[in-house]
Amino acid sequence: KQEVTQIPAALSVPEGENLVLNCSFTDSAIYNLQWFRQDPGKGLTSLLLIQSSQREQTSGRLNASLDKSSGRSTLYIAASQPGDSATYLCAVRPDYGNKLVFGAGTILRVKS
Amino acid sequence: NAGVMQNPRHLVRRRGQEARLRCSPMKGHSHVYWYRQLPEEGLKFMVYLQKENIIDESGMPKERFSAEFPKEGPSILRIQQVVRGDSAAYFCASSPPGRGANEKLFFGSGTQLSVL
Repeated sequence: KQEVTQIPAALSVPEGENLVLNCSFTDSAIYNLQWFRQDPGKGLTSLLLIQSSQREQTSGRLNASLDKSSGRSTLYIAASQPGDSATYLCAVRPDYGNKLVFGAGTILRVKS
Repeated sequence: NAGVMQNPRHLVRRRGQEARLRCSPMKGHSHVYWYRQLPEEGLKFMVYLQKENIIDESGMPKERFSAEFPKEGPSILRIQQVVRGDSAAYFCASSPPGRGANEKLFFGSGTQLSVL
């Protein structure tokens, strides 16, 4: 059974810092991995999707890496801003099905 | 192109009543997924549907919960005889046909169900 863990559970940083969010998964048979952002009381916004054959994806100040064999992904946020404050969710899609398995998320607060 | 639309945004029910949650997928999307998010927990998969078919309902409780995605109209998640433990945010997501590796899920804003 696939399990996804995110560390840390919460993170508070001053504006301008570079930061790393971690995601690990127990079953390396994944189809892809997706990072989402969730704002309070709102839905999820897809940030980056990494195919199982890829090592990383970049979008603006965000960079996500994938090490499938070790069951790890990281989301790197450069020059953090208060507007980055949100919950960040990692989700994997297994090879054998269509549903996503989510981690519990990292709550990020960027202080101005 | 409107995103995934869920309604209502907030739904309050008393114990024993029925709750009906609606989801209209993005235009051109024929796959719908329902997820539930309990307070301070991650999203848990409930059910995956294609038009008129339930593909995977392994995450849905066997009793009181049902889902449908008719040929015409939105997908409906129905909870009968609600209990306080059903209080949660229910999210719907949709994706286009096919299973390309670049296929993202697009989520709605969710329905917050509160059972009194």
